[in-house]
Amino acid sequence: ELKVEQNPLFLSMQEGKNYTIYCNYSTTSDRLYWYRQDPGKSLESLFVLLSNGAVKQEGRLMASLDTKARLSTLHITAAVHDLSATYFCAVDLLKETSGSRLTFGEGTQLTVNP
Amino acid sequence: NAGVTQTPKFQVLKTGQSMTLQCAQDMNHEYMSWYRQDPGMGLRLIHYSVGAGITDQGEVPNGYNVSRSTTEDFPLRLLSAAPSQTSVYFCASSYSRGGSYNEQFFGPGTRLTVL
Repeated sequence: ELKVEQNPLFLSMQEGKNYTIYCNYSTTSDRLYWYRQDPGKSLESLFVLLSNGAVKQEGRLMASLDTKARLSTLHITAAVHDLSATYFCAVDLLKETSGSRLTFGEGTQLTVNP
Repeated sequence: NAGVTQTPKFQVLKTGQSMTLQCAQDMNHEYMSWYRQDPGMGLRLIHYSVGAGITDQGEVPNGYNVSRSTTEDFPLRLLSAAPSQTSVYFCASSYSRGGSYNEQFFGPGTRLTVL
């Protein structure tokens, strides 16, 4: 059974600071997604990581994937209040016959304080 | 494109009642899925479909039925609602071809309360 663990689960940080959210998973996969969710809203896709060593950046967020370590990171650079949200990683046990099956982490609730 | 739409947005049921949560997409996506989100547990897969006429169970299928008669629609039926089914339900879809699946796009969600 695939387990996906995020840490920390709660993160309170000051504006302008840097921090990293970690996503560990228990079964081999080379397909991982990061989503953002604002309170009461749906999930917004941030990054799709499809191979070992993949690195993607968008604004103050950068995501990477190490399939050998079964680890993905979401790095926040110079945080701003608008980044306050809950961030989820999701691992895909993609199979050609049965299709995509996402297993989500518990989420990291990020609060950026002025 | 409207993307992934879900109805209703909110619903309150009594224990034992049945209902259907509707999900539709206009992106011609073959793959569709249903998740539930409970506090502190992330999202869990209920059922999914890789195309019209094909469905399969996810992680937490008990108490739910699905069918896929068209590419566009993927309704989720609660057979006899229980308080444990109080949750937020998200429908998602993605493009798939030849076994390659792209990122899933999520609908706005349905907040269900079972009393």
